[in-house]
This record gives sequence, C-alpha cells and structure tokens, in this order.
Amino acid sequence: AQSVAQPEDQVNVAEGNPLTVKCTYSVSGNPYLFWYVQYPNRGLQFLLKYITGDNLVKGSYGFEAEFNKSQTSFHLKKPSALVSDSALYFCAVRGSGAGSYQLTFGKGTKLSVIP
Amino acid sequence: GAGVSQSPSNKVTEKGKDVELRCDPISGHTALYWYRQRLGQGLEFLIYFQGNSAPDKSGLPSDRFSAERTGESVSTLTIQRTQQEDSAVYLCASSLIPAGVSPNEQFFGPGTRLTVL
Repeated sequence: AQSVAQPEDQVNVAEGNPLTVKCTYSVSGNPYLFWYVQYPNRGLQFLLKYITGDNLVKGSYGFEAEFNKSQTSFHLKKPSALVSDSALYFCAVRGSGAGSYQLTFGKGTKLSVIP
Repeated sequence: GAGVSQSPSNKVTEKGKDVELRCDPISGHTALYWYRQRLGQGLEFLIYFQGNSAPDKSGLPSDRFSAERTGESVSTLTIQRTQQEDSAVYLCASSLIPAGVSPNEQFFGPGTRLTVL
C-alpha cells in the first residue's frame, strides 16, 4: 500500500524567509509525486509534480520541490515566502505501475506566513 | 476555460435522509474522481470513473454510498441514510488523460460541504 507522511501539521515562517514543507512517501516501484495547495473554501490547486528526470522540480507561484529517492522525500520549498502563500498544502503519491491511478494524499500542512 | 464545478456548495441534512451531490468535470476530461475530506484530514479516495470502463469503487466506505457518471460528463455521488460521520467536504476532480496512461494532474472542484445533523 502507498502512503504519504507530512510530519508537520503547521509551519510558521516570516515573510521573505525561505520555507520548507516536508513530505515523505512509501510506494511500490517508482513514485509519481505531486504537491497541491488549498486556499480557504476552495478546491485543491495543482502546484507541481515529479515524474522522472531532474530531481528538482519547479512549479507554480515560485515553488519548487526536491525528489530524494534514498530518503523517500519530496519536500516543498520556496526561497522567499509571501503572506499570500498562507494555505493548506498537500503532498500526494501514486505508483507507476499499470492501473496505479489512485492518488494517496498526506494529511496536509498548514502554512502561515507572518508579515 | 471553465473548471470543475460542484453543487451544492453546502448541504445540511438530517440523519437518515438521502443526499445527492453533483460534479461537472472539465469538458473533454475522461477521468473523474470523488474524494472525501474530513476536518483536519487528508483526502480519502472514494471512486474513479474512466470513460466507459467499469468504475473503481474500492474507496466507497459503505453500501450507502454510490456514484454514477453519464459518459464523460456529469457525475452524481449519492449517500443514502446519511449518518453524522458522513459530515465532510466531498471533492470531485477530473483529469485529461487517464492517470494510468500518464500521470497527469487532477483538477479539483471547490467541493460540497455536507453537514449531517
């Protein structure tokens, strides 16, 4: 079974500082990894994904994530946080095997960027 | 273009009543997913539709839950004899290419917040 762990329920960071939201995963075979963001009373919005290739993936709104196979991690990062980045962030994984279309989501990390 | 839409946005019902939730996917998206998001939790997969193939219902929590989809268009999620533990946000998502073929991202609707009193 595949699983995702987001060890921090909440991350607080000052505006302008770098931010990291952690994610580790477990899946059979090669992983496909995703980050989504959820603003209040809104659906989830896709940020970025790792499929193959370069371990550093760049996405929307200046976010990036680094795939680390040995540590089974896919941490989300941004060099300089904005107050508008405050939201709930979800990491998700699915396997690469045939029929592996189910995304398994983490419980989410609430990011608060303090002005 | 238009995104995934869901209706109603909020639904309050009494325990024991049936409810029907609707999802309009992005036009042309062949895959459609339903998820449940309980307060403070991640997303639970409920059901997956892909074209005319038999849906994957493996995530439905009980036989009180059912879903239908007409072709590659609207889907409805029905919960019969609702219980308080059914209270959650129900999210629908669609994707352009079946996820089993290539790992395309899913586009989510705003969700329906269901409250069972």
